[in-house]
Amino acid sequence: AQSVTQPDIHITVSEGASLELRCNYSYGATPYLFWYVQSPGQGLQLLLKYFSGDTLVQGIKGFEAEFKRSQSSFNLRKPSVHWSDAAEYFCAVATPYQAGTALIFGKGTTLSVSS
Amino acid sequence: DGGITQSPKYLFRKEGQNVTLSCEQNLNHDAMYWYRQDPGQGLRLIYYSQIVNDFQKGDIAEGYSVSREKKESFPLTVTSAQKNPTAFYLCASSADRGGTNEKLFFGSGTQLSVL
Repeated sequence: AQSVTQPDIHITVSEGASLELRCNYSYGATPYLFWYVQSPGQGLQLLLKYFSGDTLVQGIKGFEAEFKRSQSSFNLRKPSVHWSDAAEYFCAVATPYQAGTALIFGKGTTLSVSS
Repeated sequence: DGGITQSPKYLFRKEGQNVTLSCEQNLNHDAMYWYRQDPGQGLRLIYYSQIVNDFQKGDIAEGYSVSREKKESFPLTVTSAQKNPTAFYLCASSADRGGTNEKLFFGSGTQLSVL
């Protein structure tokens, strides 16, 4: 079965430092991969997605992610973190269900930003 | 403004009671989804609907029911059979009902608690 693993439950980064959030997936075919961000008590907002082509994808808010098939990874990065980036981040893979597709989410990584 | 509206924001359920969470979208999307979010568990798919008058079970459908009588609406009923209903419930929609889930739009969620 398809699955997504986010190894880090909680990460703390200093403001202005670089960030990398890890995501590993299990999927037999070429995956469709996503990163979402969630602020407390809110829904999720799409940061970026990978379907095919260039393995380095750019997203909103200065985030990028790199798809590495050999490592089954889709890590999220940002060169300089801002305090407003503190949130929970979810990696997801689109997976076929009986009559279509749905997203399978990882358990999330909570990002704290220290001053 | 187009979007997804979930109501109420907070909901309390008494023992043995059924409660219904509302989800309405004016994005003209075909596909709609319900996810349950528990701390440290990420998002788990309850039900999804790719088209009006059709819906499919997700990973944790037991104790829940849905209907899709209108394209705009996808209400979720948490029945008395769901013994652990306390969670944050997220509704989402997508224009892509059979492909890649190019982008999910999320509502702001409903926090359900048991009295």
